[in-house]
Amino acid sequence: GENVEQHPSTLSVQEGDSAVIKCTYSDSASNYFPWYKQELGKRPQLIIDIRSNVGEKKDQRIAVTLNKTAKHFSLHITETQPEDSAVYFCAASIVKAAGNKLTFGGGTRVLVKP
Amino acid sequence: GAVVSQHPSRVICKSGTSVKIECRSLDFQATTMFWYRQFPKQSLMLMATSNEGSKATYEQGVEKDKFLINHASLTLSTLTVTSAHPEDSSFYICSARKRGGSISYNEQFFGPGTRLTVL
Repeated sequence: GENVEQHPSTLSVQEGDSAVIKCTYSDSASNYFPWYKQELGKRPQLIIDIRSNVGEKKDQRIAVTLNKTAKHFSLHITETQPEDSAVYFCAASIVKAAGNKLTFGGGTRVLVKP
Repeated sequence: GAVVSQHPSRVICKSGTSVKIECRSLDFQATTMFWYRQFPKQSLMLMATSNEGSKATYEQGVEKDKFLINHASLTLSTLTVTSAHPEDSSFYICSARKRGGSISYNEQFFGPGTRLTVL
């Protein structure tokens, strides 16, 4: 089955700096890669996703890049703010008509210091 | 919108009892719902995939007789933890995928989670 590795496990940045989280996946058939933000005790919230036919996607201060050949994808947060502090999870899945399951990375705890 | 609710949000029970957790899609129909388990400071681990009108598909290592899943309608799935023990204490989260979504659209909408504590 799919295996997703995520690094780093913790990340501390100064407010205004950039944060980068990297994930690798094992199943070359995976074609959908969402990123979730989870605050303590809350539900995961989708912040951005990318499909395998796209190499990069950006939404304001958040961007995701995908390298299908190397089987890795990354989340980039620019101009970080204290409210960006949370746990971020990457995931991978294979989209098919009957639905699919997400395999999550181990998570990255991001702390943005004011 | 795409709102998923869970009930209860927190439950404390005695060892040996059974606990039922409900997952509802409030404003859409969900052909498929997923149940996850999350231990403190850890990732989400998929337990099972629940399809409306059929038996759930369990992940390897998850006991189907201990974690009973019923997906009786397009808006409701239930997870029953039978004969709960302290090691079953965890944060249980469901998610739902919209019915009729295009093949290329795969977003899952998560519920707020249920924190189970077994004494």
